[in-house]
Amino acid sequence: GAGVSQSPSNKVTEKGKDVELRCDPISGHTALYWYRQSLGQGLEFLIYFQGNSAPDKSGLPSDRFSAERTGGSVSTLTIQRTQQEDSAVYLCASSLYPSGLSYEQYFGPGTRLTVT
Amino acid sequence: QQPVQSPQAVILREGEDAVINCSSSKALYSVHWYRQKHGEAPVFLMILLKGGEQKGHEKISASFNEKKQQSSLYLTASQLSYSGTYFCGTAYTGGGNKLTFGTGTQLKVEL
Repeated sequence: GAGVSQSPSNKVTEKGKDVELRCDPISGHTALYWYRQSLGQGLEFLIYFQGNSAPDKSGLPSDRFSAERTGGSVSTLTIQRTQQEDSAVYLCASSLYPSGLSYEQYFGPGTRLTVT
Repeated sequence: QQPVQSPQAVILREGEDAVINCSSSKALYSVHWYRQKHGEAPVFLMILLKGGEQKGHEKISASFNEKKQQSSLYLTASQLSYSGTYFCGTAYTGGGNKLTFGTGTQLKVEL
């Protein structure tokens, strides 16, 4: 079946502009995660959605970052007033159930964001 | 707090073995291992749960020492396809369902 998809694959934006990144999880997966990966670095947790529960936003680096998940499926990560330090690959992952238990995450190909 | 991985990088000849370690300062509920090849998304390898349950890759094994809050990934008879960056992701007891990933171990297998 189809895996996790993300769009766009690449995004170049000017400093100060807003951007929206989209994630389509695997159908039926209840958990959805957003991560940020800077060049040569590990995966930095941003936000986690699980079903209809309130999202875990504890990883969002500033109030310029927000995310929503509509209808328990598609998610959008929005970065307002982008800064150069926001440049990174943004990865989305979905899981059948919450990963903290025993379920693997399936990652999308990522969106490479470059802020000029 | 981010788990610490060691070594940061390792180069192997095909057929050699390697061990990658992941240490946490907090009590762990589960440890997940992923491999990421350059320019690609991370791919699931293994999950180890508190209590000893494991699930994952056939040719890669791992251990989880709950007392020491450590996990090790064992790569035996390495193949060229094993090259990539290995990340451990940890779920903390009482820490919800998110994973906190380590900084990664770069593994390169050469002929």
